[in-house]
Amino acid sequence: DIQMTQSPSSVSASVGDRVTITCRASQDIDSWLAWYQQKPGKAPKLLIEAASSLQTGVPSRFSGGGSGTDFTLTISSLQPEDFATYYCQQANRVPLTFGGGTKVEIK
Amino acid sequence: QVTLNESGPALVKPTQTLTLTCTFSGFSLNTRGVSVSWIRQPPGKALEWLALIDWDDDRYYSTSLKTGLTISKDTSRNQVVLTMTNVDPVDTATYYCARIRHMDTGKYFDSWGQGTLVTVSS
Repeated sequence: DIQMTQSPSSVSASVGDRVTITCRASQDIDSWLAWYQQKPGKAPKLLIEAASSLQTGVPSRFSGGGSGTDFTLTISSLQPEDFATYYCQQANRVPLTFGGGTKVEIK
Repeated sequence: QVTLNESGPALVKPTQTLTLTCTFSGFSLNTRGVSVSWIRQPPGKALEWLALIDWDDDRYYSTSLKTGLTISKDTSRNQVVLTMTNVDPVDTATYYCARIRHMDTGKYFDSWGQGTLVTVSS
């Protein structure tokens, strides 16, 4: 199985801050990576696919990068509605696997 | 509009078999490339992928759980069913079903159900 490791597990930040989350795959997954946002009590929401392709309606302050084994999700200017938990997921092959999540909290 | 809705028991006893149903609309599991997965999330923990069934009736399972899982589909009723045998309290989680739009363009979950909380307890 491909292991996905996210860091940090949590981050405290203020509105307007730039936040970067990293995700590392245990083997090369090319650009087959997704990022999801999950708010308490809600289902995850797909933000980014193919490592850097924003879903329709996702604000442009979100961006994704990387390929191979190392990936990033960046929020350029944190907004109140962005406080949530973020997960990466490798979409290269089954069994599909998620990272452990990064909780973005209010400082 | 794509929708998915999970249903099943809220409480099951240890060693019993859990059966969950995902009823969907807005797409067809007869369409080439489409698949539906089950994913779970224990309280306060991360997402865990469990199983997938695709338009061609191919089935894939979590490596660690596959001996107790079965996924099936009823395309006429737009349903996907997951059964999990011999459940344990560690299987307490919110269970989600989710769609993959096209397996060849990336196994991304673009639509999710709202989830159903299952508690395993005697």
